[in-house]
Amino acid sequence: EPEVTQTPSHQVTQMGQEVILRCVPISNHLYFYWYRQILGQKVEFLVSFYNNEISEKSEIFDDQFSVERPDGSNFTLKIRSTKLEDSAMYFCANAGTGSYGYTFGSGTRLTVV
Amino acid sequence: GENVEQHPSTLSVQEGDSAVIKCTYSDSASNYFPWYKQELGKRPQLIIDIRSNVGEKKDQRIAVTLNKTAKHFSLHITETQPEDSAVYFCAASMVDSSYKLIFGSGTRLLVRP
Repeated sequence: EPEVTQTPSHQVTQMGQEVILRCVPISNHLYFYWYRQILGQKVEFLVSFYNNEISEKSEIFDDQFSVERPDGSNFTLKIRSTKLEDSAMYFCANAGTGSYGYTFGSGTRLTVV
Repeated sequence: GENVEQHPSTLSVQEGDSAVIKCTYSDSASNYFPWYKQELGKRPQLIIDIRSNVGEKKDQRIAVTLNKTAKHFSLHITETQPEDSAVYFCAASMVDSSYKLIFGSGTRLLVRP
């Protein structure tokens, strides 16, 4: 079964630093998403990305966040100036045209200290 | 926007018994309802889903029912096994929109051997 790969698996960063989380999606799936999950809580939608542009974003996805596909394959989430409350598990997800099921990546645990 | 309520938050059953988890949603435009299983530290994994044109769907020991009028849907697990122990999340989405998933708060299922 195709997989969505995320790197790094765990990132520790100091408050105020920039982080970039990376995702390698399934090659023929054109819908990309980022979700986050604070420890012990539900999964929350951050942003959806289709046809090289953001199609929808949540209130969480403020000016500190950005996404891009720098080389047409990888999909990245950047947090410009991390805050303590950004500590969470971040999941990339991928969906294909005509397919309703998401494939979630393995996740990146971000710890801001 | 869409809001998904899920209950119970924890559920403990004896091995072999059935487990039922219930969710309600607020937006009548939602038309896709997946269920995810998440083991500790792992990614959410799709276990079953249902579209709004179907009232019930079954896959071996797992079934999902949907009541569009009441805006609620339920996950049924029969003949539970210890390996069913995990956190289960329901979600709602509109497949004709950005297809973002709005998750419930999760149910921690414990199957006692």
